[in-house]
Amino acid sequence: KAGVTQTPRYLIKTRGQQVTLSCSPISGHRSVSWYQQTPGQGLQFLFEYFSETQRNKGNFPGRFSGRQFSNSRSEMNVSTLELGDSALYLCASSSTGAYGYTFGSGTRLTVV
Amino acid sequence: TQLLEQSPQFLSIQEGENLTVYCNSSSVFSSLQWYRQEPGEGPVLLVTVVTGGEVKKLKRLTFQFGDARKDSSLHITAAQPGDTGLYLCAGATGTASKLTFGTGTRLQVTL
Repeated sequence: KAGVTQTPRYLIKTRGQQVTLSCSPISGHRSVSWYQQTPGQGLQFLFEYFSETQRNKGNFPGRFSGRQFSNSRSEMNVSTLELGDSALYLCASSSTGAYGYTFGSGTRLTVV
Repeated sequence: TQLLEQSPQFLSIQEGENLTVYCNSSSVFSSLQWYRQEPGEGPVLLVTVVTGGEVKKLKRLTFQFGDARKDSSLHITAAQPGDTGLYLCAGATGTASKLTFGTGTRLQVTL
C-alpha cells in the first residue's frame, strides 16, 4: 500500500513569503501530524489533526497553521517566512497514534 | 516540558560489535517508540513498547522499556553497515497524539 506522500520534496523561498506544504496520509489513516526537524532542535511537534479537527498543538508561533480535508489529506502553511524556518518538515499518519506513526520523506524548506 | 535525552550522541563502531543506546526522561510515558532515520528520509518506526519492564526483540535488535516507564534502551547485537543511521526514541502520553522525540543517536557502522 502507498506510504505517506509529501509534496514538494524541496522548496526555496524568500524571507517574508508564505509557503504551503501538502501531505497525503496512508489510506484509512485519520490522524495526521506535522513535525519540524532542524539540526539544533531535533524533531519538534507542530500540530496533529484527526477527522478535520486540530487535536493537539505544539509551541510554535501563529505563523504556522494547518488544516485537514475530508479525505484526510493535510496542508500546513507558514506565513511571513523567517530564516529560522529553514528545516525539514515531516508529516506522519497513523490509525491509532499510540502504536506508532508512518512518516513521509519530508519537505526540505530553505528560506533565503 | 518533557525531555528525552539520548546517549551517546554519536557512535562509530566496526561491523560485528555490540552497542546500546539509552533514552532517559524524568517524565512518565504511556508508550515509547523507536525510529531509525536515514539521510534525506523520514523516520521509520522500529518498535513500540507500552508496558513497564517490557522487552521486545526484532532479529538483532532488543528494546527494553523501564519499569517506571521513564526510560528505554536499544541494544544491537553484531552490528552491520545497514544499521547505520540516526536512532530516535519518542515518548507518547495520553492519547499519544503528540510525540516527544529524543535528541537522537547517530550510529555509523564500518566494515
